[in-house]
Amino acid sequence: QSALTQPPSASGSPGQSVTISCTGTSSDVGAYNYVSWYQQHPGKAPKLIIYEVTKRPSGVPDRFSGSKSGNTASLTVSGLQAEDEADYYCNSYAGSNNLVFGGGTKLTVL
Amino acid sequence: QVQLVQSGSELKKPGASVKVSCKASGYTFTDYALNWVRQAPGQGLEWMGWINTNTGDPAFAPGFTGRFVFSLDTSVSTAYLQISSLKAEDTAVYYCARKARGRYHFDYWGQATLVTVSS
Repeated sequence: QSALTQPPSASGSPGQSVTISCTGTSSDVGAYNYVSWYQQHPGKAPKLIIYEVTKRPSGVPDRFSGSKSGNTASLTVSGLQAEDEADYYCNSYAGSNNLVFGGGTKLTVL
Repeated sequence: QVQLVQSGSELKKPGASVKVSCKASGYTFTDYALNWVRQAPGQGLEWMGWINTNTGDPAFAPGFTGRFVFSLDTSVSTAYLQISSLKAEDTAVYYCARKARGRYHFDYWGQATLVTVSS
C-alpha cells in the first residue's frame, strides 16, 4: 500500500486555526472510520491525539478535532499555541490487518 | 500506569542481526497487540506490522517481510523485533506501540530504540 498524502508543512499564528489534510484511497481512509492522528515533538515518541476519525483520548485538549470526507481526513487545531508546533501524522486501517501512515506534516506556529 | 520500555541503542555492522525488546507493564499483556514502527533519520513514521500477543501470530506490512521477525515472551510481558542481514538503510529509530484488539490506533508508545548500521 502507498503512504497517505499529507502536506509537508502548515503554519498559523497563535490563536488561529489550521487544518491538515490526509488523503488516501477508497481502500483505506475512505473505507474505514479508523483514522488516527499523532503528534510528535522533536526527539520524542508520537502521541495519540485523535482516533476513529473524531475521538479524542482523555487529556487531549478539545482544540484538536478530526473529521473525514470521502478519501480525505482532516485534523484541525484551533486556538494555536506555541506548544502545538510539532510533526503530525495520520494513520488509517487499510484492511487485511494492514495500517498505513501519512508522510507527516510539520506545523509551525508563527 | 501503562508503560512500554524498550532496550537501548545498538550499533551493528552490515550483515549482522539485532534484537530489540519492548517490555510492557501496567496492563494485561495479552489484551493488546504490539506494533512496530520505524522512523528513519529525518523521515516519517512507517508501520512495520504487529504481533498478536494471544496467539503469537505476526502481520507484516509490505516491505517488511523476510528479514524481520516479531516474537514474544509472555512470561515477562515482552515483545521482540529481530532484524537480520542488516543494511545501512535499516538505520532508524524503532518504536513499539500498543493497539487494542479490534481497534486500529496506537494508544501507548515505547520510548524508542536507535539502531545504527555502520561499518
